[in-house]
Order: sequence, then structure tokens, then C-alpha cells
Amino acid sequence: EDKVVQSPLSLVVHEGDTVTLNCSYEVTNFRSLLWYKQEKKAPTFLFMLTSSGIEKKSGRLSSILDKKELFSILNITATQTGDSAIYLCAVGRGGGADGLTFGKGTHLIIQP
Amino acid sequence: GAGVSQSPRYKVAKRGQDVALRCDPISGHVSLFWYQQALGQGPEFLTYFQNEAQLDKSGLPSDRFFAERPEGSVSTLKIQRTQQEDSAVYLCASSLALTGGSYEQYFGPGTRLTVT
Repeated sequence: EDKVVQSPLSLVVHEGDTVTLNCSYEVTNFRSLLWYKQEKKAPTFLFMLTSSGIEKKSGRLSSILDKKELFSILNITATQTGDSAIYLCAVGRGGGADGLTFGKGTHLIIQP
Repeated sequence: GAGVSQSPRYKVAKRGQDVALRCDPISGHVSLFWYQQALGQGPEFLTYFQNEAQLDKSGLPSDRFFAERPEGSVSTLKIQRTQQEDSAVYLCASSLALTGGSYEQYFGPGTRLTVT
């Protein structure tokens, strides 16, 4: 059975800190790994990763994939209170099974 | 509109009632997905359309759940004889790709269904 495991499940840090969120996976026919940010509404797309070792960056957020060890990390530097959200990791498979498999998410709280 | 829209945003149903949830995908997106998100959990895949064809319905939890996308655009998720365990947020997502796993999926705001 396909599995996506995120850690930690929750994290409380102070504004300005750097955080690292983890996602490990076991899926057949891996195609891509995606990160989403979910506040009290729709999950919003952050990154899609398909190749190992290539960092994707957007402002203070960055992510990288290791297809040998089957994990990804999402880094957020100089955190702000607006970064408080649930961060979801999801894996997309090939072979016609195109629904994403999600982890439970990491609930990140940034304290001022 | 620019994004995926869903209606209603909130729905309260009495146990045993039928409900219909609507999704308007991003214009031009051929792939459409439905997910169910229970409180404190990640979204779980329900079903997937490529244009009007339902290519995967393996995630539908029972035969009370039915989805359609007759003209390859708007989709409706119908739940018959609702049960309390159906209470969840139902998310719709759309993607440009013919095989959704290669392209990012964009999500709507969801419909929060509460069955009393």
C-alpha cells in the first residue's frame, strides 16, 4: 500500500527561526512529489519535484527530493507569522493512477 | 474565474439525505479530481476524470458515492443516503495534464459537509 509520512506532525517556533519539514514515501511508479500549504481554505501549490538533488526555491521557501532515500524536505527560513499553516506533502504516481497520495501534514505555528 | 470553485461551501444534511456537491475547474484543465479530507488528516483520493471519462474511481468509499462530469467541464459529486462518517471537507482539484501525476493540481476551497 502506498504511504506518505510527514514529520513532525506539529511544530511551534518563534518568528525568525528556520524550520525543516520532512516527508518520506513508499509508492509504486513514483512520478512526482508535491508540497502544498493549507490554511483555512484550499491547499495552495508550493513546489513539484521530479528529479533528485535539484533544489527548488521560492523566496524563503525551498525544497529538495532524494529519490534514492525516498524523502523530501521543505525548508522555510526567517519564518513569519503568515507562514503558520498545515504543510501537506503528496506523491503522484504514473501508470494511470493519477490521484495524489497525501501525508497527514505538518501543522506549523509561528509565534511572534 | 481564475481558480477552481466549489459550491456550496458548507452543507448540513440530515442522515439519510442525498447531497450534490459541485466543482467548476480552471478553464481548459482536462483532468479533475475529487478528494475527501477528514479533520486532522490529509486529503484522500476519491475519483479522477480526464475530460468526461471517469478513469479511476477506486477511492470512492461505497456505492453511495457517485461522480460525473458529463461535458468534460463541471463535475458533481453525489452522496446518497448520507451517513455521519461522510462528514468531511470535499476538495476538488484540476490539472492541465492528461496524466495528472506529472503536473501540479490546483485545489478549490472545498465543501464542508456535516451530517447530523
